[in-house]
Amino acid sequence: GENVEQHPSTLSVQEGDSAVIKCTYSDSASNYFPWYKQELGKGPQLIIDIRSNVGEKKDQRIAVTLNKTAKHFSLHITETQPEDSAVYFCAAGGYEKLTFGTGTRLTIIP
Amino acid sequence: EPEVTQTPSHQVTQMGQEVILRCVPISNHLYFYWYRQILGQKVEFLVSFYNNEISEKSEIFDDQFSVERPDGSNFTLKIRSTKLEDSAMYFCASSDGGRGEAFFGQGTRLTVV
Repeated sequence: GENVEQHPSTLSVQEGDSAVIKCTYSDSASNYFPWYKQELGKGPQLIIDIRSNVGEKKDQRIAVTLNKTAKHFSLHITETQPEDSAVYFCAAGGYEKLTFGTGTRLTIIP
Repeated sequence: EPEVTQTPSHQVTQMGQEVILRCVPISNHLYFYWYRQILGQKVEFLVSFYNNEISEKSEIFDDQFSVERPDGSNFTLKIRSTKLEDSAMYFCASSDGGRGEAFFGQGTRLTVV
């Protein structure tokens, strides 16, 4: 089955700086790679996603890149703000099932 | 904005008791899922449901678990005889299937005592 690894497990960045979170996956059949933000006591919130036929996608301050050959994908957040503080999860799979990474706790230092 | 709703938000049950967790998926979605998250850990897939049947399930989803779509709007997860290790946050999600985006509910915290 699919195995997703995520690094780092914790990340602290100064407000205004950029944050990068990286994930690798094992199953070449995975074709959908979403990123979720989870705030304390809440469900995962989809923030951006990318499909296997695309290498990069951007939505305002958030971007995701995918390298299918190397089986890794990354989340980039620029101009970080205090409200970006949360746990971020990557996931890989398809419409039937997602396998999640172990999460990154991002803390934005004012 | 449409959202997935789950009830109850918190359920406490005695070991060995049956529990039913309820979800109302987004109305035009076709795929329904249950995931769980043990405190401080990653989100784990339990089961996906499409066209009134299970399409995929994980090793966690053993004979103690079942899912049902009893009517046109609800989607339920039943745990027949709860164990202490079933304590977790249970998330329902739904997807329209076409694009693959899964939207999650706020979760039900299940505590087995």
